[in-house]
Amino acid sequence: AQSVTQLDSHVSVSEGTPVLLRCNYSSSYSPSLFWYVQHPNKGLQLLLKYTSAATLVKGINGFEAEFKKSETSFHLTKPSAHMSDAAEYFCVVYTGGFKTIFGAGTRLFVKA
Amino acid sequence: DTEVTQTPKHLVMGMTNKKSLKCEQHMGHRAMYWYKQKAKKPPELMFVYSYEKLSINESVPSRFSPECPNSSLLNLHLHALQPEDSALYLCASSQGLAGQNTDTQYFGPGTRLTVL
Repeated sequence: AQSVTQLDSHVSVSEGTPVLLRCNYSSSYSPSLFWYVQHPNKGLQLLLKYTSAATLVKGINGFEAEFKKSETSFHLTKPSAHMSDAAEYFCVVYTGGFKTIFGAGTRLFVKA
Repeated sequence: DTEVTQTPKHLVMGMTNKKSLKCEQHMGHRAMYWYKQKAKKPPELMFVYSYEKLSINESVPSRFSPECPNSSLLNLHLHALQPEDSALYLCASSQGLAGQNTDTQYFGPGTRLTVL
């Protein structure tokens, strides 16, 4: 069975410092993984996706994620946080047949 | 253009009302989805339409009735809802490549539904 675990429910950083949002997955085969961001009372915006091509995936707004099969991880990073990055972030694994599994989400707070 | 639009943005309805949520995309996608999202929770899948046919119904109560009039439109008809149905309802679309891991879902902004 496939699953996804976001290791932190909340992360707080200062503006200009690096961001690390952690995601571990469980899959019996090579998964497709996504990161979405959701600002308050908004829909979900795709940040980036991994679909078995390059293991380092670059997304929008300076975010990137690295797929590490040996660690079953797909952590999201950004070198320098901006106030506008404050939002909820979801790690998602595609399970096939139109179905996906969402992680519980990580709320990112950015302090001035 | 990766835009999915939803109307209305907000909806307040009584438990005896009948209302509809609408979703539209013009990306040529052939799969469309309805999700329900409660506060501080991830989205939960409700329905999936593939090539205008209902493909997935996640045991959703019959007071929610989906409709896919054509490949660009998706409706969710609401009747006799309960206060616990209050939530953000999200529509999404994807190319419809069910067997391929590149089938990325694109989400609309959602409709905030309040049932009184």
